[in-house]
Amino acid sequence: IVMTQSPATLSVSPGERATLSCRASQSVSNYLAWYQQKSGQAPRLLIYGASTRATGIPARFGGSGSGTEFTLTISSLQSEDFAVYYCQQYITWPYTFGQGTKLEIK
Amino acid sequence: EVQLLESGGGLVQPGGSLRLSCAASRFTFSTYAMSWVRQAPGTGLEWVSMINGGGETTYYADSVRGRFTISRDNSKDTLYLQMNSLRAEDTAVYYCARVKRGGDCLDFWGQGTLVTVSS
Repeated sequence: IVMTQSPATLSVSPGERATLSCRASQSVSNYLAWYQQKSGQAPRLLIYGASTRATGIPARFGGSGSGTEFTLTISSLQSEDFAVYYCQQYITWPYTFGQGTKLEIK
Repeated sequence: EVQLLESGGGLVQPGGSLRLSCAASRFTFSTYAMSWVRQAPGTGLEWVSMINGGGETTYYADSVRGRFTISRDNSKDTLYLQMNSLRAEDTAVYYCARVKRGGDCLDFWGQGTLVTVSS
């Protein structure tokens, strides 16, 4: 299953809302996770089951969608949110990641 | 909190072998599936391999099947990745990660170990 994220780069000002998209080449139901990766660090799980926040993830992170179309929304961006975000499907092996969206400061 | 500490990375020639280790702590290791994920320089993530808690069931990406072997020693709380017939395209940071119960996403990651395949 091919995961396609858009846009490749998103420029947003602190305090504004960011919307990141992920599309699957076939239905993955809600077996969809989102990860955040900051420069030089390992990825961190944000969202699983398409919409459930992982432990310790702030409420400004929200996931939605099912089937083939998914969205990660970050309301009121904080300075620490500027990073690369990956989606990942886990309905069918091999589990696959999207190519990532880089969220940068505008 | 959960800790995962990878080791064993380094520089190896094409065709060579390397074994990565991941020491786990602060959770009941034998009750979780574990995985290796890699990230080539400047690129995205690739899920390389996964093993169930008991070590009986393994999964591999097509790109490594037949060359890499995942295993675990639950008596030592340690995960391994034996990498043979290494190629330049295997150059990457290799992360050890815990598979979340109830869904195959990755809820804790190690800091990664760099493998460089070059002559």
